[in-house]
Amino acid sequence: EVQLVESGGALVQPGGSLRLSCAASGFTFSSYSMNWVRQAPGKGLEWVSYMDSDSTTIYYTDSVKGRFTISRDNAKNSLYLQMNSLRDVDTAVYYCARGGLGSSTTHLDYWGQGTLVTVSS
Amino acid sequence: EIVMTQSPATLSVSPGERATLSCRASQSIHRNLAWYQQKPGQAPRLLIYGASTRATGIPARFSGSGSGTEFTLTISSLQSEDFAVYYCQQYNYWLTFGGGTKVETK
Repeated sequence: EVQLVESGGALVQPGGSLRLSCAASGFTFSSYSMNWVRQAPGKGLEWVSYMDSDSTTIYYTDSVKGRFTISRDNAKNSLYLQMNSLRDVDTAVYYCARGGLGSSTTHLDYWGQGTLVTVSS
Repeated sequence: EIVMTQSPATLSVSPGERATLSCRASQSIHRNLAWYQQKPGQAPRLLIYGASTRATGIPARFSGSGSGTEFTLTISSLQSEDFAVYYCQQYNYWLTFGGGTKVETK
């Protein structure tokens, strides 16, 4: 069974940093691209970042470029999102979601349950 | 950036009726479109990809159609468990989501 479990969400002050983790199991993690998607309270889904299976292709939505860094450790079956210079507009539930095999952007077939990041003073 | 526009924002439907949801892309995305269902407090669930292919375990009452810039998700006979928010997502160029359509009980 495919499972994605996020962790690391917390209450953080504006300007602060946080590192989210996503532990994957039930599939060959090293073969799949992965994504972070967020959802602000009461709002819709917003794609945040993409990384292909071997970490060579990375994309970010414009609002997080230069502040967020996606990474993965295929030996640990884990995906990460380092978030710096956090703003109140970054407050959201952050989901980790599986993409396709290799390096193409595609639909997201499995999602974690999400971890809540709250940016507030 | 490709902008995805969903309509209507809210759809009021009685159980057993047909629901038709629309999604429009700001430029052609061919058939690189997916639909998701999200219930309160839950993660999104993939329903349709490639504009019309049902994901594993998705009932046949869900169907998708369209190509280019205009897409439709149809739920042929709404069941109680289908009342939820539905999102379209393009993956032709990076990824973007539509704003969602809430399907509520009439």
